[in-house]
Amino acid sequence: DIQLTQSPSFLSASVGDRVTVTCRASQGINNFLAWYQQKPGKAPKLLIYAAFTLQSGVPSRFSGSGSGTEFALTISSLQPEDFATYYCQQHSSDPITFGQGTRLEIK
Amino acid sequence: EVQLVESGGGLVRPGGSLRLSCEGSGFPFNTYWLSWVRQAPGRGLEWVANIKEDGGERYYVDSVRGRFTISRDNAKNSLFLQMNGLRAEDTAIYYCAREEVGSTAFGYWGQGTLVTVSS
Repeated sequence: DIQLTQSPSFLSASVGDRVTVTCRASQGINNFLAWYQQKPGKAPKLLIYAAFTLQSGVPSRFSGSGSGTEFALTISSLQPEDFATYYCQQHSSDPITFGQGTRLEIK
Repeated sequence: EVQLVESGGGLVRPGGSLRLSCEGSGFPFNTYWLSWVRQAPGRGLEWVANIKEDGGERYYVDSVRGRFTISRDNAKNSLFLQMNGLRAEDTAIYYCAREEVGSTAFGYWGQGTLVTVSS
């Protein structure tokens, strides 16, 4: 199984900050990496797929980068509604796996 | 508008069974792979199983293989998860999710249904 390791697990930041969350895969995943945002009590929301393709309707302050085994999600200027938990997910091979999550909180 | 609505969750004793359902609307149901993804209380996301558009292929995470069965009825726009031999560690919110064409990124999710396995 492909393991995904996110860092950091917890991040404290302020509105307007630029933040980056990284996701490392245990083997190459051909850029089949997605990012999700989840707020308490809600289902996850797809932000980015295929490493850097923005899902329709997602604000352009979100961007994805990386290839091979190292990937990143960047939020260019944090907005109040961005404070949530973020997960990466590989969709390269079965079983589909998720990272452990990064909780982003207001400083 | 794409919608996925789960039902069938509840409290069940260890070793018991439960059948979850997910009804889709607002999209051509029979042209998408569908998955079940679960989330234990306070924990991260875990993919459980998925099924091809026509039901001809099914895949499972190791921890549920042989106990859970995913199926679908395209005539009724419905996805199912039959869960047998339930264990305490199966306690979670279960989401159905639609896989986007050409990938297994989950573009749409239901609201989830809670399964609690406890004596």
